[in-house]
This record gives sequence, C-alpha cells and structure tokens, in this order.
Amino acid sequence: AQSVTQLDSHVSVSEGTPVLLRCNYSSSYSPSLFWYVQHPNKGLQLLLKYTSAATLVKGINGFEAEFKKSETSFHLTKPSAHMSDAAEYFCVLLKAAGNKLTFGGGTRVLVKP
Amino acid sequence: NAGVTQTPKFQVLKTGQSMTLQCAQDMNHEYMSWYRQDPGMGLRLIHYSVGAGITDQGEVPNGYNVSRSTTEDFPLRLLSAAPSQTSVYFCASSRGQAAADTQYFGPGTRLTVL
Repeated sequence: AQSVTQLDSHVSVSEGTPVLLRCNYSSSYSPSLFWYVQHPNKGLQLLLKYTSAATLVKGINGFEAEFKKSETSFHLTKPSAHMSDAAEYFCVLLKAAGNKLTFGGGTRVLVKP
Repeated sequence: NAGVTQTPKFQVLKTGQSMTLQCAQDMNHEYMSWYRQDPGMGLRLIHYSVGAGITDQGEVPNGYNVSRSTTEDFPLRLLSAAPSQTSVYFCASSRGQAAADTQYFGPGTRLTVL
C-alpha cells in the first residue's frame, strides 16, 4: 500500500532557528512527493515537489527537501524560521494508480519570537 | 483571475438535509477535485474529475455525489447529511489531467451537521 507518514504533529521553533519537518513514505514504485503549506484559514499552497530528478529540491520561501530512497524519507527543512512560517505543512504522495494524491496527517509549526 | 472559488464559506445543516457545495475555477483547468480535512487526518480525496463529463471516486466517496458538466464548475452534493460529514471541504484544480500538476486550492467550506 502506498502511504505517507508525518512523524510530528506539532513542531515549535524559535524565530531564526532551523526548521525540520519529517516525512516517511511507503511506495513500491519510484514516487512523486510534494510538500504543501496551509496558513490559518486559507487553502493549501505548493511549497515544492520531487518527481525523480534531483534528490535535493528547492521550494518557495527558502524551504528545501531531500529525497532519500534508502531511508524512504522526504524531510522538509529551512535554515532560519520566520514568524510567517507558522502554518500547517502536509507531505503528499502521488498514487501511481488512479491519478490521486494521498496526504500525511500534517505538522503544525509554531514559531516563537 | 479569481482562481478557485468556493461557496458558501460556512454552512450548518441538520441530519438528513441535502445541500450542494459549489466550486468554480476560471483558469481553464482540466483536473478538479474535492477533499475533506479532519484534524490529524490530513486531506482525504472524495471525488475527482479529469475533464468535463468525467468523474471518479476518491478514498471517501460514500454520501457524496459530483458531476462535471462544464470545465469551470465542479459541485459536490451531500445527499443526506450526517454528523460524520462535519468537516472542512476543499476544492482544488490543476492545469493538466494529472494529480502531479500543481494543485490550486480554494479557501474551503466549513460544514457542521447537527
């Protein structure tokens, strides 16, 4: 079965410190993976996507993610958190059959001043 | 462009009532989809469409109907509302027919079923 698991439901960081959001996936094929962000009371917005090109993917707002096949992971990082990064982040896997996306449970990020 | 619009923003229903959640996009996108968002469960796909006249089921289709008579509109119908359908509903669209294309999400409809 194809699935995606976000290992932390909540992450709290101080402004200016690094952010790490962890995502593991399960897939029997070479996956396409995405990170989406949802700011409070808004719809979701694409941060970045991996589709079997470079394993280090750069996204918007200084975020990047590294695809590691040996660890079945696709963790999202940012070197220095900003107050505007407070949001919920979703790791997303494209299912090969059926042209559908499957979402992780989400990680809510709190940024402390 | 207005992007993806959803109406209403909020709705309260009684058990057994029916209603339609509206979704429209003005970007000439082929792929449209409906998700529900529940705490700790991420978003779950209800139904999707790869073009006018074509729809298919997602993970949680029971209790919901869709149709796609035009490229722009993709309404979601609740046939007989149940408290388990209390959720936030998001519509999304993308340019091509692939879910891998960048999805553009509407602002959501918060539905409460009493």
